Amino acid sequence: GQQVQQSPTSLVLQEGENAELQCNFSTSLNSMQWFYQRPGGSLISVFYNPSGTKQSGRLTSTTVIKERRSSLHISSSQITDSGTYLCAMGPSNMGYKLTFGTGTSLLVDP
Amino acid sequence: GGIITQTPKFLIGQEGQKLTLKCQQNFNHDTMYWYRQDSGKGLRLIYYSITENDLQKGDLSEGYDASREKKSSFSLTVTSAQKNEMAVFLCASRLGVNQDTQYFGPGTRLLVL
Repeated sequence: GQQVQQSPTSLVLQEGENAELQCNFSTSLNSMQWFYQRPGGSLISVFYNPSGTKQSGRLTSTTVIKERRSSLHISSSQITDSGTYLCAMGPSNMGYKLTFGTGTSLLVDP
Repeated sequence: GGIITQTPKFLIGQEGQKLTLKCQQNFNHDTMYWYRQDSGKGLRLIYYSITENDLQKGDLSEGYDASREKKSSFSLTVTSAQKNEMAVFLCASRLGVNQDTQYFGPGTRLLVL
């Protein structure tokens, strides 16, 4: 079945530093989404981005279909960015069935 | 906008017990999902439903039943709770089948004694 690999597994930053989170897929996709989760919290959609680049404030997502990868860039990180970031993809032949990565745990220190 | 509600928020059960989790959404979304989240294992799909009365098995359906009584609600039953089981069950919904944002509920936290 399809696999989703996220890297790094965990990341510690000083406030103000930038972060680059990666997501790689084993199959072609037609659906791709990034989520944010606080400890003990639910998942909040950050980006729905099956292809190209999208930006929202300090967050930018880039999905390159041919290379089967997506990235999430966080600029000028803040303490409130701490939490887990998960990516999920839906394969081209079964877009309804999202497969999730195991997440990147981000800690931003003051 | 809309919201997904899950009940109960916390569920403590006994080994062998049948436990039911409920999910309601007012987005008027067609597709609904149940996921299980375990520490270090990410989210795994248990069941999903693309319309009322439709049920599709996910990767982790063994030991679970589901019911989509109406478009707005999707229930999950743990058929026989396993001792020391601890997990979070997340309900989600999506407008269509393929290319739309998926929204999640707050979760039900299960502990089996």
